[in-house]
Amino acid sequence: GESVGLHLPTLSVQEGDNSIINCAYSNSASDYFIWYKQESGKGPQFIIDIRSNMDKRQGQRVTVLLNKTVKHLSLQIAATQPGDSAVYFCAVGGSGGGADGLTFGKGTHLIIQP
Amino acid sequence: SQTIHQWPATLVQPVGSPLSLECTVEGTSNPNLYWYRQAAGRGLQLLFYSVGIGQISSEVPQNLSASRPQDRQFILSSKKLLLSDSGFYLCAWSSGLSWQFFGPGTRLTVL
Repeated sequence: GESVGLHLPTLSVQEGDNSIINCAYSNSASDYFIWYKQESGKGPQFIIDIRSNMDKRQGQRVTVLLNKTVKHLSLQIAATQPGDSAVYFCAVGGSGGGADGLTFGKGTHLIIQP
Repeated sequence: SQTIHQWPATLVQPVGSPLSLECTVEGTSNPNLYWYRQAAGRGLQLLFYSVGIGQISSEVPQNLSASRPQDRQFILSSKKLLLSDSGFYLCAWSSGLSWQFFGPGTRLTVL
């Protein structure tokens, strides 16, 4: 089966700085990778995803990097803002897509300091 | 656009009482549907998923059950709640090879 781990349970950064949140996965056959943002008391919200045939994908202020060699995934948030404070989860799925569910990491709590 | 609803938003139930949580999806057809539980300080644990009406797959043994009586309706139930059933329950849907969209969640406290 798949196991997913995050390197840091909490990350504190200054407002305006860049943030990097890391995630490691175990199954080299994993095909689909997603980052979610979860604010307190709410459901996770999709941020960005990447498939195994890519190593980088950019969105608005966010970049996901995938290193399949070491089975490592990271989320970079540029110029963090107070609204970025949340718990960030990586999720890993197999080539079957969503039908068999996703394996989630435990989450990193991103704290933005003024 | 697609939306996903869950209710109730919060629930406090005594040990041994029954449970019924409902999830409905709008704006899509034949979605894959999922129930997750999130304990405090932990990630999401997949409980059940369904690829169609009446088709339920269970990921973990427990005293919970799921049903899908209609295409866009997913219900999580229990006949007798345990203290360990407390948590944040999330319903999600996906369409084929895509990410999962999550509902707002139900906070269940079993006393």
